[in-house]
Amino acid sequence: AQTVTQSQPEMSVQEAETVTLSCTYDTSESDYYLFWYKQPPSRQMILVIRQEAYKQQNATENRFSVNFQKAAKSFSLKISDSQLGDAAMYFCAYRFFNAGNNRKLIWGLGTSLAVNP
Amino acid sequence: GAVVSQHPSWVICKSGTSVKIECRSLDFQATTMFWYRQFPKQSLMLMATSNEGSKATYEQGVEKDKFLINHASLTLSTLTVTSAHPEDSSFYICSVPGTNYGYTFGSGTRLTVV
Repeated sequence: AQTVTQSQPEMSVQEAETVTLSCTYDTSESDYYLFWYKQPPSRQMILVIRQEAYKQQNATENRFSVNFQKAAKSFSLKISDSQLGDAAMYFCAYRFFNAGNNRKLIWGLGTSLAVNP
Repeated sequence: GAVVSQHPSWVICKSGTSVKIECRSLDFQATTMFWYRQFPKQSLMLMATSNEGSKATYEQGVEKDKFLINHASLTLSTLTVTSAHPEDSSFYICSVPGTNYGYTFGSGTRLTVV
């Protein structure tokens, strides 16, 4: 069965610094999707970044980028120039590629990120 | 991506009563919606997959008779917590799979049973 592991329950970073959140996953599939979602105190889930496993190039979205290591089954999120608004819970998630009727996400337990001024 | 509206944002109900939570896909026809439950500082726990025009698919351990799901149209799914008890107090979130393999989430419903 597919699993997603986030080994850092809590992290902190100084404003304007860079922080990396780790995520590893287990799957026997060769094609799949990986996501990072952010949940701020409002509890609204927000998509941060998405990676298709068949793409070798790491996804980037402004200050957010991933280090996707397919062989190692690792999908870390790097936040550059951290801002106070980045403080939130961050969840890593996995989805089957050929999902058919099974499009549910498999979630990690989350990492709580604090940004210190 | 899809725009999802979830109501109510919060609700307080008496023990033994039923509460209905609505999830609307405003600009996207959703044949599937997902219902999650989230405890404070924990991850999302999938409760069930709502399927338009057919029965919902419940995750193992979720009581079908307690958490009734109806997905009668391509834009609306409802979750009814029947005979609510204090242990049902939680944060409930719906999600719609949209285009480009993305997902859009409702803003969530905080349920408190007293």
